[in-house]
Amino acid sequence: DAKTTQPPSMDCAEGRAANLPCNHSTISGNEYVYWYRQIHSQGPQYIIHGLKNNETNEMASLIITEDRKSSTLILPHATLRDTAVYYCIVKLGSRLTFGEGTQLTVNP
Amino acid sequence: GAVVSQHPSRVICKSGTSVKIECRSLDFQATTMFWYRQFPKQSLMLMATSNEGSKATYEQGVEKDKFLINHASLTLSTLTVTSAHPEDSSFYICRGQGAMNTEAFFGQGTRLTVV
Repeated sequence: DAKTTQPPSMDCAEGRAANLPCNHSTISGNEYVYWYRQIHSQGPQYIIHGLKNNETNEMASLIITEDRKSSTLILPHATLRDTAVYYCIVKLGSRLTFGEGTQLTVNP
Repeated sequence: GAVVSQHPSRVICKSGTSVKIECRSLDFQATTMFWYRQFPKQSLMLMATSNEGSKATYEQGVEKDKFLINHASLTLSTLTVTSAHPEDSSFYICRGQGAMNTEAFFGQGTRLTVV
């Protein structure tokens, strides 16, 4: 699986958009980009995934660059409950390999 | 969405005893179950992968005789930590995947403390 690079931590003000970057420069053509988050002492929660096109669901938006070497997860209106570790994962098949993730802290 | 129920959420056991963790897929058939371990302030590390009715495949460095995995049905997989030691204290998480699923459904995790 391709390696991903994320900033270790980010802060965001409540109500503002949170933009979490991820680099995956070695991604191959058939690998998907997945995002999960983990709130302290809970199992990871699926957020969104994509291959080439931008994706949006009720939780977030995923913007993938044209060369697919990086992506950004956007939480449009962050709330305190969005404070968590966010993992960007490049996935082929069913295997998930977690990196260190980004600790997002949403401040009041 | 699909749900994986993991039990217990917390367990404390004495050194040398065994602990069983259960993961049940409630509304789908988990043909594959993945087991992860997470130490404090670290990321999730895949321990093993099991397919229903087959022996589990363990990651390098994970002792198969210590971490017994059973996946005898499409709705239940268990991880038994045998002869537990304090260094086995960790957060254990399962992930169930059905044949047609593209998402991965995680259990709630089990906090194991060995004293």
